[in-house]
Amino acid sequence: EDQVTQSPEALRLQEGESSSLNCSYTVSGLRGLFWYRQDPGKGPEFLFTLYSAGEEKEKERLKATLTKKESFLHITAPKPEDSATYLCAALNYGGATNKLIFGTGTLLAVQP
Amino acid sequence: DTGVSQDPRHKITKRGQNVTFRCDPISEHNRLYWYRQTLGQGPEFLTYFQNEAQLEKSRLLSDRFSAERPKGSFSTLEIQRTEQGDSAMYLCASSFRQGNTEAFFGQGTRLTVV
Repeated sequence: EDQVTQSPEALRLQEGESSSLNCSYTVSGLRGLFWYRQDPGKGPEFLFTLYSAGEEKEKERLKATLTKKESFLHITAPKPEDSATYLCAALNYGGATNKLIFGTGTLLAVQP
Repeated sequence: DTGVSQDPRHKITKRGQNVTFRCDPISEHNRLYWYRQTLGQGPEFLTYFQNEAQLEKSRLLSDRFSAERPKGSFSTLEIQRTEQGDSAMYLCASSFRQGNTEAFFGQGTRLTVV
C-alpha cells in the first residue's frame, strides 16, 4: 500500500537552532516528492518538488534533499516565522492515477 | 490574485442538508483536484479532473459526494445529506497537464456539520 510517513510529529526549536524533518515513503509509480508549508486554517503552500535521488533544492533557510526511500527538509537557523506544519507528499502518477499522497505533517514551533 | 480560489471559506450546516463548494483553478491549469483534510491529518485525495473529464475517484468519495467541472473551468463539489463525519477542510488544487508539475492549493472551505 502506498504510504508516506513523517517524523517527528512535532518539533520545538529555539530561534537559530538548526534541525531536519524526515519524510519516508513507499509509493509505486513515484514521480516526484513535494514539500508544502501549511499555516493554521489555510491551504498548503508549495515549497519544493524533487524528482530524483540525490537532488537538492533550497529556498531561504530551507533545503530539501531526496534519497530512494526518504526526503529531508533541513531548516538552518530558523526564525519564529518559520513556525508552521510542514507536509510531505509523494506524487503517484501513471495510467489513470495522478494524485499526491500526503504524510500527516510535522508541526514546527520556533521560539524566540 | 491569480491563485486557486475557493468559495465559501467557511460553511456551517445542519446534518442532513446539502452543501456545494466551488473552486476556481489557476486559469492556465487543466488539472483540478479535490482533497479533504481533518484536524491533525494530511490532505486525503478525493478526485481529480483533466479538463472536464473526471479521471479518478477515491473510495472516500461515497455516493453522497459528487464533483463536476463543466467546460473544464471551475469545479463544484456537492455533499448530499451531510453527516457529522463530513466536517473537515475541503481543499482544491490545480496543476498543468504535463507530468510532474506542482499542484497549487486554494485556501480551502471549512465545513462544520452540526
